[in-house]
Amino acid sequence: KAGVTQTPRYLIKTRGQQVTLSCSPISGHRSVSWYQQTPGQGLQFLFEYFSETQRNKGNFPGRFSGRQFSNSRSEMNVSTLELGDSALYLCASSDPGTVGEKLFFGSGTQLSVL
Amino acid sequence: QQPVQSPQAVILREGEDAVINCSSSKALYSVHWYRQKHGEAPVFLMILLKGGEQKGHDKISASFNEKKQQSSLYLTASQLSYSGTYFCGTGTTGTASKLTFGTGTRLQVTL
Repeated sequence: KAGVTQTPRYLIKTRGQQVTLSCSPISGHRSVSWYQQTPGQGLQFLFEYFSETQRNKGNFPGRFSGRQFSNSRSEMNVSTLELGDSALYLCASSDPGTVGEKLFFGSGTQLSVL
Repeated sequence: QQPVQSPQAVILREGEDAVINCSSSKALYSVHWYRQKHGEAPVFLMILLKGGEQKGHDKISASFNEKKQQSSLYLTASQLSYSGTYFCGTGTTGTASKLTFGTGTRLQVTL
């Protein structure tokens, strides 16, 4: 099976712009979670989508949003970018309902906001 | 609130052992362990569930003290390939949904 695919791998934006990141989960996985990774903060949970519905949400401002399509692919959008949004954004897919459900991460999108 | 991992960093010689600890202030149902090599995706190592047994994977094992809400990852006879940053992710359900990760422990194994 192909792993979790995230595109693009790198992005450079300026403050005030918006950005859309894409994530294709492992085939058959219906849950997609997004995490922000920064040095010193580790991985911070953004949100999780399951069957096209947001099932859980972390403590991030409304500028961060996402959606999931019928094929389980997911997108994350950040509007009005700030310098502090510079981070590695990781997407992870999982198969809910399995005993010992685990996350399979993509390689991430490195976002730099100038 | 994030679980606290200790130590923050450790350097080992090949063949030495290491223990990484993860402590939470919340009542936990599960603890996940992941390893991330530089520039790569975090990779699942193992999961420990409340009421479950200690898990093992080759020379890497882990325990979960439910009373103390603590988990420990044991790396035995470390290899160069063990180098990376180790994260514990804690959950309050039996799913991988909304895991709370620690800030990581950077492990470097040298010759």
